[in-house]
Parts: sequence; structure tokens; C-alpha cells
Amino acid sequence: NAGVTQTPKFQVLKTGQSMTLQCAQDMNHNSMYWYRQDPGMGLRLIYYSASEGTTDKGEVPNGYNVSRLNKREFSLRLESAAPSQTSVYFCASTPRGSSYNEQFFGPGTRLTVL
Amino acid sequence: KQEVTQIPAALSVPEGENLVLNCSFTDSAIYNLQWFRQDPGKGLTSLLLIQSSQREQTSGRLNASLDKSSGRSTLYIAASQPGDSATYLCAVGKAAGNKLTFGGGTRVLVKP
Repeated sequence: NAGVTQTPKFQVLKTGQSMTLQCAQDMNHNSMYWYRQDPGMGLRLIYYSASEGTTDKGEVPNGYNVSRLNKREFSLRLESAAPSQTSVYFCASTPRGSSYNEQFFGPGTRLTVL
Repeated sequence: KQEVTQIPAALSVPEGENLVLNCSFTDSAIYNLQWFRQDPGKGLTSLLLIQSSQREQTSGRLNASLDKSSGRSTLYIAASQPGDSATYLCAVGKAAGNKLTFGGGTRVLVKP
């Protein structure tokens, strides 16, 4: 099993450009999450999807949209990138959004917005 | 709003010494608490998951305790090794969907 995979690994954008970060998991997990990690601030939840077909906002959703394409894939879209969105983005998944299930993380996408 | 704090932000110890990492949270109504390890430029690896009803969890040289009433968790790493050098993050899970709130992490350096 590859676990949680993310593409691309690195990306540089100019202000105003758009892009989609891709995430896929092969563990048959129901719940998936997008976090961003900024220096000194830990990870913060952007959006999550409890199950296929559902999405909900997290702590910092402004400027982002998500799509739960199917059970395996959960994408994050930046419609008009801003320098404040420079960050490392992590996707995670868990069998279901239960307190008994740990979350598994992908390797991250390092995004720079100039 | 839940806030999670990890102090100190960085820690350096000689090899063989026991590591004690602290995590505190402001809202005791949590579902669980999870400890992660993050190597530079890498993703997060789950180390231990403690349910809200549990007091501790153990895995090899790692032991994590949870005291909900005081809003604290401690991760103990016995007989530290240079390979334990990494950033350790704690996160508390709350509410439906098990959404996690993270602390800022403690960066650990184990010197040979």
C-alpha cells in the first residue's frame, strides 16, 4: 500500500494564479482532511470530508475549495493564490471520523506564492 | 476554542537520557489525543493514540500519559538515541469527524 499520496511535492505560483493539490489514499478510508502547516503555528485544518460526497469547513477555509471526487481522492483548490497561502499542505485520512482511529498523513506539498 | 501548547519549543539532550515532552490543552472535552513525529521536510508519523477514557498508552520505548482534568499529556521516550531527533507534535481530537487541533511542536535533538 502506498498509503496517502500527494501531488505535486513542490509548487511555485504567482499571485492570482490557480492550482489544485491532489491527494489520494489506498487504505479504503472514509474520512479525509486537508491541513496547512506554518512555522510556529502547528497544523491547522482547512477542510475535511467525513465520507464520500460530503465536505465541511475547518478552522481556516477562506481562499480554498475542495472536492471529494470519490472515496480515494480529495483535492484542494486555490482559485486565486495569495502570498499568505505560502505554506506546507498536508492531506490525511482515517478509517472513519471516530475517536478510535488515528489519522495517517501524506508527505506534503510545499507551496510558495510570489 | 481549543488551544494546544507544547513547551519547550526545542530541546537538546545527550544520548541515553530519557526525554519528557509536554502538551497542554485548554478544553478538557476531548475525544482523543494523538502524538506524532515529523522529520525535516517530511510528513507526520503517528506514534500513539490515547482515547479520552484512557490514562496512558505504550509502544516500545514510548509512553504517553493523559490527564484530562488538568489538560495535560506527556510523552516519555526512554533511553534516547540520535535517531529520535525530530519534531514531536501533539494533537487533540474533538467533535464529530475527529478533527484535530495541533500544538506547535517540540523540536528534539539527541546528541551522540
